[in-house]
Amino acid sequence: QVQLQESGPGLVKPSETLSLTCTVSGGSISGYYWTWIRQPPGKGLEWVGYIHYNGNTNYSPSLRGRVTTSLDTSKNQFSLRLSSVTAADTAVYYCARPLVGTTTFFEIWGQGTMVIVSS
Amino acid sequence: QSVLTQPASVSGSPGQSITISCTGTTSDIANYLLVSWYQHHPGKAPKLLIYEVTKRPSGVSNRFSGSKSGNTASLTISGLQAEDEADYYCCSHVQSLPFAYVAFGGGTKLTVL
Repeated sequence: QVQLQESGPGLVKPSETLSLTCTVSGGSISGYYWTWIRQPPGKGLEWVGYIHYNGNTNYSPSLRGRVTTSLDTSKNQFSLRLSSVTAADTAVYYCARPLVGTTTFFEIWGQGTMVIVSS
Repeated sequence: QSVLTQPASVSGSPGQSITISCTGTTSDIANYLLVSWYQHHPGKAPKLLIYEVTKRPSGVSNRFSGSKSGNTASLTISGLQAEDEADYYCCSHVQSLPFAYVAFGGGTKLTVL
């Protein structure tokens, strides 16, 4: 079955760029809206944004301007970059795959990776 | 602050039923069927319980059910079991011009007494 695995640095300095990658195994990257979701410590889930196989993207209004996503179909991976990070960006970051053709029904999730923003 | 409002906590005894509400607006729940619910045990990946307001993915117990009335969606768990103790999140498509995006509720902690 399809599995997702997040990877990237667990510690990022304030004002720098957070970069994470999600590797998709057991299935194709085509046809889905590949999504990032985060959860700050002690808080709820927050949708970050998605990239579709065709390259279309959409991001949270609160993060727009700082966030970008990309796809590497040859490696079956998609990535997140969040610039100018602050302590408020400290969170567990999940990659997720919604049901095919949808953007809001997240069927498959990675285990999550903790990113701490600190000097 | 979430655009979708959930109670911070609910509780129930084994065997009982509980309902978690998720209140939105005409920008989200009231005008779209794009509502889903997730169960999240700390340290694990969230699990999709309900999508498109009322539908259950394969493998999800029929003790979980969803509904919607106006701008409020609800998740009902019947026959409460100890393993149901977790955090629950609603999620909806939001159309707030010029943006269309996805929002989660603030989460509800379910305690099984």
